[in-house]
Amino acid sequence: TQLLEQSPQFLSIQEGENLTVYCNSSSVFSSLQWYRQEPGEGPVLLVTVVTGGEVKKLKRLTFQFGDARKDSSLHITAAQPGDTGLYLCAGDPNTGRRALTFGSGTRLQVQP
Amino acid sequence: GAVVSQHPSRVICKSGTSVKIECRSLDFQATTMFWYRQFPKQSLMLMATSNEGSKATYEQGVEKDKFLINHASLTLSTLTVTSAHPEDSSFYICSARGGGAGDTQYFGPGTRLTVL
Repeated sequence: TQLLEQSPQFLSIQEGENLTVYCNSSSVFSSLQWYRQEPGEGPVLLVTVVTGGEVKKLKRLTFQFGDARKDSSLHITAAQPGDTGLYLCAGDPNTGRRALTFGSGTRLQVQP
Repeated sequence: GAVVSQHPSRVICKSGTSVKIECRSLDFQATTMFWYRQFPKQSLMLMATSNEGSKATYEQGVEKDKFLINHASLTLSTLTVTSAHPEDSSFYICSARGGGAGDTQYFGPGTRLTVL
């Protein structure tokens, strides 16, 4: 079973601070996706990273895929209250099952 | 991006009744659909994978006779919770994926089930 460990599990910060969320595994994934979920709603895709070492930026969010495609990180610069939510990483094992392996999630709370 | 819809968004039922949840891919053909369950403040737990025209594959510990899944077309999958009990109360989310190996998985908005 391929597992994805996410850390931290919970993060409460002040508006304007920076933060990094980590997603680690001992397994290799063909791609890795980051989602953001708000209460009572389904996850919304933020980004997909495919190539080892790849870095993608989405406004104040920077996503990085590890060289070995086993880990990833999400860095948020100058966090805002609107960034509050549950952040989920999910790896594609590229097996016949085609199901994503989800991390345990990071609950972010940004205080104004 | 692709759109996946779920219906109903919220349902309250009495213990012992059955509830059907629909999942539709609105602008693409979903060869594979997934059903997840999510408890408060936790991540998504995969329940089953369904491929159009074939039987669903259930994850370990998920009762296939209790959670009936039908994937009758390339745009529709249904999850029926049979003889629901209060412990089945949860947030159920479906997702859909197209035919290519690298196709993105898109999620529905979820269905909140409350069993009284």
